Amino acid sequence: KAGVTQTPRYLIKTRGQQVTLSCSPISGHRSVSWYQQTPGQGLQFLFEYFSETQRNKGNFPGRFSGRQFSNSRSEMNVSTLELGDSALYLCASSLQGTAVFFGEAFFGQGTRLTVV
Amino acid sequence: AQRVTQPEKLLSVFKGAPVELKCNYSYSGSPELFWYVQYSRQRLQLLLRHISRESIKGFTADLNKGETSFHLKKPFAQEEDSAMYYCALHSSSNTGKLIFGQGTTLQVKP
Repeated sequence: KAGVTQTPRYLIKTRGQQVTLSCSPISGHRSVSWYQQTPGQGLQFLFEYFSETQRNKGNFPGRFSGRQFSNSRSEMNVSTLELGDSALYLCASSLQGTAVFFGEAFFGQGTRLTVV
Repeated sequence: AQRVTQPEKLLSVFKGAPVELKCNYSYSGSPELFWYVQYSRQRLQLLLRHISRESIKGFTADLNKGETSFHLKKPFAQEEDSAMYYCALHSSSNTGKLIFGQGTTLQVKP
């Protein structure tokens, strides 16, 4: 089956602009999480959506937001971009129903965002 | 606080040597721990999880609750094991949040 797909793969934006990243999860997966990956901070959790509801949120400013659609596809938006937002943004999907154990997260290849 | 610590940024070994990538965690409940691997130009993928107690590509990891550790081991390293390795903690049930360590780059020299 198809893996997690993120678009676009690369983006260059100017400070102050906004950007929207897209993630299509594996078919049947209802949980979509977003992570920011940088050389200095590693992988940091942004937020998670499950059945169109934000279920968990990391410690990022309100400029970072997201949403999930009824088909489980998710978008992440960053407004008023800053130089420090340059990073690889990873999306992960998982089944995550009501099971106690997490199981496995499947990651996309990421969107490389460069803010100039 | 929930935290995952990987003390080594880089671990360099020769082919055939044993490997141990260290991971310590801080979590008040029953942890669910994973090792993820990212090979060059590939996506992050699950290597193994503690609840399945399996060996993948010769790697094993044992959860030690007393020492709050989940070290990744392999008796004989191969060149194809060179990659970035992340230890991750699932912070609570019924959410998809993973807390990652900073990662350790494993370099296996010929």
